[in-house]
Amino acid sequence: NAGVMQNPRHLVRRRGQEARLRCSPMKGHSHVYWYRQLPEEGLKFMVYLQKENIIDESGMPKERFSAEFPKEGPSILRIQQVVRGDSAAYFCASSRGSSSGRTNTGELFFGEGSRLTVL
Amino acid sequence: GDSVTQMEGPVTLSEEAFLTINCTYTATGYPSLFWYVQYPGEGLQLLLKATKADDKGSNKGFEATYRKETTSFHLEKGSVQVSDSAVYFCAWKASGSQGNLIFGKGTKLSVKP
Repeated sequence: NAGVMQNPRHLVRRRGQEARLRCSPMKGHSHVYWYRQLPEEGLKFMVYLQKENIIDESGMPKERFSAEFPKEGPSILRIQQVVRGDSAAYFCASSRGSSSGRTNTGELFFGEGSRLTVL
Repeated sequence: GDSVTQMEGPVTLSEEAFLTINCTYTATGYPSLFWYVQYPGEGLQLLLKATKADDKGSNKGFEATYRKETTSFHLEKGSVQVSDSAVYFCAWKASGSQGNLIFGKGTKLSVKP
Protein backbone atom coordinates (compact mmCIF):
# COMPACT_ATOMS: atom_id res chain seq x y z
CA ASN A 1 0.00 0.00 0.00
CA ALA A 2 1.66 3.19 -1.17
CA GLY A 3 -0.74 5.50 0.66
CA VAL A 4 -0.39 7.37 3.91
CA MET A 5 -0.31 4.81 6.71
CA GLN A 6 -1.53 5.61 10.18
CA ASN A 7 -1.54 3.41 13.24
CA PRO A 8 -3.14 2.48 15.41
CA ARG A 9 -6.54 2.90 13.77
CA HIS A 10 -8.20 2.85 17.16
CA LEU A 11 -6.65 3.63 20.52
CA VAL A 12 -8.27 3.61 23.93
CA ARG A 13 -6.59 5.32 26.85
CA ARG A 14 -7.55 6.20 30.38
CA ARG A 15 -7.24 9.74 31.66
CA GLY A 16 -3.65 10.55 32.51
CA GLN A 17 -2.08 8.02 30.15
CA GLU A 18 -0.04 8.82 27.08
CA ALA A 19 -1.16 8.37 23.49
CA ARG A 20 1.23 7.95 20.57
CA LEU A 21 -0.04 8.09 17.03
CA ARG A 22 2.16 7.20 14.09
CA CYS A 23 2.09 8.27 10.50
CA SER A 24 4.14 7.09 7.55
CA PRO A 25 3.81 9.45 4.58
CA MET A 26 3.41 8.38 1.02
CA LYS A 27 6.58 7.28 -0.68
CA GLY A 28 8.46 10.30 -1.94
CA HIS A 29 6.63 12.74 0.32
CA SER A 30 8.66 14.81 2.73
CA HIS A 31 5.91 16.94 4.28
CA VAL A 32 3.57 15.73 6.99
CA TYR A 33 0.53 17.43 8.49
CA TRP A 34 -1.57 16.48 11.48
CA TYR A 35 -5.24 17.40 11.79
CA ARG A 36 -7.77 16.74 14.52
CA GLN A 37 -11.45 16.09 13.88
CA LEU A 38 -13.75 16.47 16.83
CA PRO A 39 -17.27 14.99 16.69
CA GLU A 40 -19.57 17.06 14.45
CA GLU A 41 -16.73 19.41 13.52
CA GLY A 42 -14.40 19.87 10.62
CA LEU A 43 -10.72 19.19 10.54
CA LYS A 44 -8.54 21.51 12.57
CA PHE A 45 -4.92 21.96 11.58
CA MET A 46 -2.45 21.07 14.30
CA VAL A 47 1.08 20.93 12.97
CA TYR A 48 3.12 20.80 9.78
CA LEU A 49 6.49 19.07 9.70
CA GLN A 50 9.27 18.26 7.33
CA LYS A 51 12.01 15.80 8.14
CA GLU A 52 13.54 16.81 11.47
CA ASN A 53 11.84 20.21 11.38
CA ILE A 54 8.60 21.66 12.67
CA ILE A 55 7.46 24.21 10.10
CA ASP A 56 4.18 25.38 11.61
CA GLU A 57 2.76 24.34 14.96
CA SER A 58 0.25 27.14 15.30
CA GLY A 59 -2.62 24.67 15.78
CA MET A 60 -1.01 22.62 18.50
CA PRO A 61 -2.25 23.00 22.07
CA LYS A 62 0.46 24.60 24.17
CA GLU A 63 0.66 21.79 26.65
CA ARG A 64 0.72 17.99 26.53
CA PHE A 65 0.91 17.77 22.72
CA SER A 66 4.08 17.30 20.71
CA ALA A 67 5.00 16.08 17.26
CA GLU A 68 8.12 14.94 15.53
CA PHE A 69 9.18 13.68 12.14
CA PRO A 70 12.62 12.12 12.53
CA LYS A 71 15.10 11.50 9.79
CA GLU A 72 14.22 7.82 9.89
CA GLY A 73 10.85 6.38 10.70
CA PRO A 74 7.31 7.68 10.92
CA SER A 75 6.01 10.96 12.23
CA ILE A 76 4.75 10.72 15.80
CA LEU A 77 1.99 12.74 17.43
CA ARG A 78 2.30 12.41 21.18
CA ILE A 79 -0.34 13.37 23.71
CA GLN A 80 0.68 13.23 27.34
CA GLN A 81 -1.71 12.93 30.27
CA VAL A 82 -4.74 12.56 28.05
CA VAL A 83 -8.10 14.00 29.06
CA ARG A 84 -11.56 13.17 27.78
CA GLY A 85 -11.55 16.23 25.57
CA ASP A 86 -8.70 14.70 23.57
CA SER A 87 -11.06 12.04 22.23
CA ALA A 88 -11.14 12.64 18.50
CA ALA A 89 -10.02 11.35 15.14
CA TYR A 90 -6.49 12.39 14.30
CA PHE A 91 -5.64 12.51 10.63
CA CYS A 92 -2.23 12.63 9.08
CA ALA A 93 -1.64 13.92 5.58
CA SER A 94 1.44 14.17 3.42
CA SER A 95 2.55 16.07 0.39
CA ARG A 96 5.49 16.04 -1.91
CA GLY A 97 6.65 19.59 -1.46
CA SER A 98 8.31 21.41 -4.31
CA SER A 99 11.83 20.65 -5.36
CA SER A 100 12.71 24.31 -5.14
CA GLY A 101 11.89 24.35 -1.47
CA ARG A 102 9.07 26.80 -1.99
CA THR A 103 5.38 26.22 -1.42
CA ASN A 104 3.85 22.97 -2.59
CA THR A 105 0.81 22.59 -4.84
CA GLY A 106 -1.61 22.28 -1.95
CA GLU A 107 -2.88 18.76 -2.54
CA LEU A 108 -2.66 16.68 0.58
CA PHE A 109 -2.99 12.90 0.72
CA PHE A 110 -4.69 11.68 3.87
CA GLY A 111 -4.43 8.56 5.93
CA GLU A 112 -7.47 6.78 7.30
CA GLY A 113 -7.06 8.37 10.70
CA SER A 114 -6.46 7.23 14.24
CA ARG A 115 -9.46 7.35 16.53
CA LEU A 116 -8.54 8.08 20.11
CA THR A 117 -11.00 7.39 22.88
CA VAL A 118 -10.19 8.57 26.39
CA LEU A 119 -12.13 6.85 29.14
CA GLY B 1 -10.82 35.27 11.02
CA ASP B 2 -10.02 32.90 8.20
CA SER B 3 -12.73 30.30 7.80
CA VAL B 4 -14.83 28.12 5.55
CA THR B 5 -18.60 27.92 5.83
CA GLN B 6 -20.45 24.96 4.37
CA MET B 7 -24.12 24.25 4.27
CA GLU B 8 -25.12 22.04 7.13
CA GLY B 9 -26.07 18.47 6.57
CA PRO B 10 -27.12 15.88 6.43
CA VAL B 11 -28.33 16.12 2.88
CA THR B 12 -30.53 13.26 1.70
CA LEU B 13 -31.27 12.85 -1.99
CA SER B 14 -32.75 10.25 -4.26
CA GLU B 15 -30.57 8.69 -6.92
CA GLU B 16 -30.22 10.84 -10.05
CA ALA B 17 -31.17 14.02 -8.19
CA PHE B 18 -29.21 17.26 -8.61
CA LEU B 19 -26.75 18.10 -5.88
CA THR B 20 -25.52 21.45 -4.64
CA ILE B 21 -23.40 21.88 -1.54
CA ASN B 22 -22.70 25.52 -0.79
CA CYS B 23 -19.32 26.70 0.37
CA THR B 24 -18.09 30.20 1.09
CA TYR B 25 -14.73 31.20 2.42
CA THR B 26 -13.24 34.09 4.29
CA ALA B 27 -9.68 34.75 3.29
CA THR B 28 -7.51 37.53 2.01
CA GLY B 29 -5.83 37.45 -1.33
CA TYR B 30 -6.34 34.66 -3.82
CA PRO B 31 -6.42 31.31 -2.07
CA SER B 32 -6.55 27.93 -3.74
CA LEU B 33 -9.84 26.11 -3.18
CA PHE B 34 -10.51 22.41 -2.72
CA TRP B 35 -13.23 19.86 -2.23
CA TYR B 36 -12.32 16.70 -0.37
CA VAL B 37 -14.53 13.65 0.06
CA GLN B 38 -14.49 11.15 2.93
CA TYR B 39 -16.17 7.81 2.32
CA PRO B 40 -17.25 5.81 5.36
CA GLY B 41 -14.32 4.46 7.31
CA GLU B 42 -11.74 6.06 5.05
CA GLY B 43 -9.49 9.09 4.99
CA LEU B 44 -10.09 12.21 2.96
CA GLN B 45 -9.48 12.18 -0.76
CA LEU B 46 -9.08 15.18 -3.00
CA LEU B 47 -12.15 15.47 -5.23
CA LEU B 48 -11.32 18.63 -7.16
CA LYS B 49 -9.56 21.95 -6.87
CA ALA B 50 -9.27 25.39 -8.42
CA THR B 51 -6.35 27.71 -8.01
CA LYS B 52 -7.52 31.00 -9.48
CA ALA B 53 -10.65 33.03 -9.99
CA ASP B 54 -13.16 31.65 -12.54
CA ASP B 55 -11.39 28.30 -12.67
CA LYS B 56 -13.68 25.30 -12.71
CA GLY B 57 -12.56 22.13 -11.01
CA SER B 58 -14.20 18.89 -12.07
CA ASN B 59 -13.93 15.19 -11.33
CA LYS B 60 -16.27 12.17 -11.31
CA GLY B 61 -19.16 14.32 -12.50
CA PHE B 62 -18.69 16.88 -9.74
CA GLU B 63 -17.93 20.50 -10.54
CA ALA B 64 -17.13 23.66 -8.62
CA THR B 65 -16.31 27.14 -9.90
CA TYR B 66 -14.05 29.57 -8.08
CA ARG B 67 -16.13 32.74 -7.67
CA LYS B 68 -13.96 35.50 -6.34
CA GLU B 69 -16.74 38.10 -6.32
CA THR B 70 -18.91 36.00 -4.03
CA THR B 71 -16.03 34.16 -2.29
CA SER B 72 -17.78 30.89 -3.07
CA PHE B 73 -16.88 27.45 -4.36
CA HIS B 74 -20.16 25.56 -4.49
CA LEU B 75 -20.05 21.85 -5.32
CA GLU B 76 -22.52 20.53 -7.89
CA LYS B 77 -23.38 17.26 -9.56
CA GLY B 78 -26.14 16.78 -12.07
CA SER B 79 -27.11 13.23 -11.15
CA VAL B 80 -25.98 11.67 -7.90
CA GLN B 81 -25.51 7.96 -7.31
CA VAL B 82 -25.75 5.86 -4.18
CA SER B 83 -21.96 5.52 -4.29
CA ASP B 84 -21.63 9.29 -3.83
CA SER B 85 -22.82 8.93 -0.23
CA ALA B 86 -20.01 10.42 1.82
CA VAL B 87 -18.96 13.51 3.75
CA TYR B 88 -17.78 16.41 1.61
CA PHE B 89 -15.33 19.01 2.90
CA CYS B 90 -14.62 22.38 1.40
CA ALA B 91 -11.15 23.78 2.08
CA TRP B 92 -8.82 26.58 1.09
CA LYS B 93 -5.12 27.25 1.22
CA ALA B 94 -3.61 30.68 1.18
CA SER B 95 -1.48 31.33 -1.85
CA GLY B 96 2.14 31.18 -0.87
CA SER B 97 1.44 29.29 2.32
CA GLN B 98 3.23 26.14 3.33
CA GLY B 99 0.24 23.96 2.59
CA ASN B 100 -1.92 24.33 5.66
CA LEU B 101 -5.52 23.73 4.54
CA ILE B 102 -8.44 25.39 6.30
CA PHE B 103 -11.43 23.05 6.30
CA GLY B 104 -15.16 23.50 6.65
CA LYS B 105 -17.15 21.29 9.00
CA GLY B 106 -18.17 18.89 6.27
CA THR B 107 -21.53 18.06 4.75
CA LYS B 108 -22.83 14.54 4.94
CA LEU B 109 -24.60 13.35 1.81
CA SER B 110 -26.83 10.29 1.76
CA VAL B 111 -28.17 9.10 -1.57
CA LYS B 112 -31.11 6.69 -1.50
CA PRO B 113 -31.84 4.26 -4.33
